[in-house]
Amino acid sequence: DGGITQSPKYLFRKEGQNVTLSCEQNLNHDAMYWYRQDPGQGLRLIYYSQIVNDFQKGDIAEGYSVSREKKESFPLTVTSAQKNPTAFYLCASSEGNAKSYEQYFGPGTRLTVT
Amino acid sequence: KNQVEQSPQSLIILEGKNCTLQCNYTVSPFSNLRWYKQDTGRGPVSLTIMTFSENTKSNGRYTATLDADTKQSSLHITASQLSDSASYICVVSQAGTALIFGKGTTLSVSS
Repeated sequence: DGGITQSPKYLFRKEGQNVTLSCEQNLNHDAMYWYRQDPGQGLRLIYYSQIVNDFQKGDIAEGYSVSREKKESFPLTVTSAQKNPTAFYLCASSEGNAKSYEQYFGPGTRLTVT
Repeated sequence: KNQVEQSPQSLIILEGKNCTLQCNYTVSPFSNLRWYKQDTGRGPVSLTIMTFSENTKSNGRYTATLDADTKQSSLHITASQLSDSASYICVVSQAGTALIFGKGTTLSVSS
């Protein structure tokens, strides 16, 4: 899992509550990413950030929010507006644009909302 | 539509046997193709990355091939081990825009 940590590994929340997933990297990478993984589906991009204090929506950003106040940190908030929040969430980082540079993934956080 | 299709969806083999996983893509313009290994409940780990000009790349018992003309790639695993049991994900980079992820092939190696 390289130098990327995600916490916690398992997270349980009640429906209607916001929850924040942590992602920290010590690789000095400029770019960071959040993906969602559901059974039988490929990874889907939620948000990405190429530089501190800047981020862009991915393919499925609705119901999620992020911040990038520090280079090493990229937390993801799953809001109550996300209709199906139960999933496996993966954070990744790359030295530059992921299309050209290797992406390193964290160990993931499994979120269950009931 | 830009897509990455992997086959088979799942595969069961005996320890010590070889196997080949397939990846067909329709992504254009093409930048590079990657294979990742993902153990259950963990993040994906890179195995290989190949650009347009590379036909073959090896990483230990893993050998990836790329045919950019037919837009096909394969991942060959030699002398499989129990620890090879995982999901293998093919990812194609679309030049200038996105990474397109396949759904993965789940490999189970039994003793």
